[in-house]
Amino acid sequence: AQSVTQPDIHITVSEGASLELRCNYSYGATPYLFWYVQSPGQGLQLLLKYFSGDTLVQGIKGFEAEFKRSQSSFNLRKPSVHWSDAAEYFCAVGSGGYQKVTFGTGTKLQVIP
Amino acid sequence: DVKVTQSSRYLVKRTGEKVFLECVQDMDHENMFWYRQDPGLGLRLIYFSYDVKMKEKGDIPEGYSVSREKKERFSLILESASTNQTSMYLCASSPALGSEQETQYFGPGTRLLVL
Repeated sequence: AQSVTQPDIHITVSEGASLELRCNYSYGATPYLFWYVQSPGQGLQLLLKYFSGDTLVQGIKGFEAEFKRSQSSFNLRKPSVHWSDAAEYFCAVGSGGYQKVTFGTGTKLQVIP
Repeated sequence: DVKVTQSSRYLVKRTGEKVFLECVQDMDHENMFWYRQDPGLGLRLIYFSYDVKMKEKGDIPEGYSVSREKKERFSLILESASTNQTSMYLCASSPALGSEQETQYFGPGTRLLVL
């Protein structure tokens, strides 16, 4: 069965600093990988996704993620964080077909001035 | 833009009540999903549907049922609400074919409190 681990429950960064959120997955074949963001009281919005091809994926709001098969990781990065990036971030893995997508437990990002 | 709407943002019900949560999507998506979200547990899949009148159990279907009579509408039913069903409920939809099938689009969520 597929699984996702987000080892950091909370992360605090200063505005303007760089950000990396960690995500490790477990799946036997090439997975479909996603990052979603959830602002307080809202639903989830897709930031970016990886299905195949270039392992460095660009998303919305200046985010990017890199698929590293050897490390079973799909870490999310942003070079300079803005106060509006404060939210909860979810990594997810899917396997194609009608299989479900499995979500991680989320990382809550706090941005301090 | 894909739009997924949920009938209520906040709902307060009493133990034992029958509760209906409605979800509507406007992009002709084949697949629809219901999740519940709890702190520290992330999103857990309750039920999903890949076609009208079709449904599949997710990871935590106990105490819930679903209905999909029309393609655009997917309802979650709590037959007899209990306090441990207090949670945020998220609906999502996704298209059927190709790699885009795996991209789910979410509604704003319904925060349910069962007293």
